[in-house]
Amino acid sequence: DVKVTQSSRYLVKRTGEKVFLECVQDMDHENMFWYRQDPGLGLRLIYFSYDVKMKEKGDIPEGYSVSREKKERFSLILESASTNQTSMYLCASSPMTNYNEQFFGPGTRLTVL
Amino acid sequence: AQKVTQAQTEISVVEKEDVTLDCVYETRDTTYYLFWYKQPPSGELVFLIRRNSFDEQNEISGRYSWNFQKSTSSFNFTITASQVVDSAVYFCALRISGSARQLTFGSGTQLTVLP
Repeated sequence: DVKVTQSSRYLVKRTGEKVFLECVQDMDHENMFWYRQDPGLGLRLIYFSYDVKMKEKGDIPEGYSVSREKKERFSLILESASTNQTSMYLCASSPMTNYNEQFFGPGTRLTVL
Repeated sequence: AQKVTQAQTEISVVEKEDVTLDCVYETRDTTYYLFWYKQPPSGELVFLIRRNSFDEQNEISGRYSWNFQKSTSSFNFTITASQVVDSAVYFCALRISGSARQLTFGSGTQLTVLP
């Protein structure tokens, strides 16, 4: 059974804190993605990675960074959390072939106070 | 640039009614892939179907069916005899060929099926 797991379902942080969101997949997928989901906006891509140590900016990378030191793990980092980063964060992975669907984790609902 | 429009923000139906969720897409590419995902209250997106741009054959899977029409750039999703468990947010998404980069998602349709 394919699996994408995220380190937390719910997270509450203070403005200015450094926040790490972790994502692990067990499917040996090359591609990994971080999205944020906001009401009325659907899912928007923050960053993605197609290989270890490789990353590319998505549509809304400002205020975020990522790290991929191992193939199975993709971390999203909020260097200095702000209230406008309160959102649902979804991690996904997919094989390299572009016709394949992405597999999603359960999401992390982050609240920044 | 790609775009996916789901004009229906919220739909509410009574159990056993049929319901169609609309999806209209925009792309200049001739090879692309369309997807539908379901997001139940638990939050995890569940893949429902993938269609490539060369395959306009409609598909039926149990109570679910999909109508892909390139002429109108639409990929609509119909649930027949809806059930309460169908209540979820449904997303339509598009990926162009040669881009493992990302899915372009619509804004989603919240479907509520009332008992």
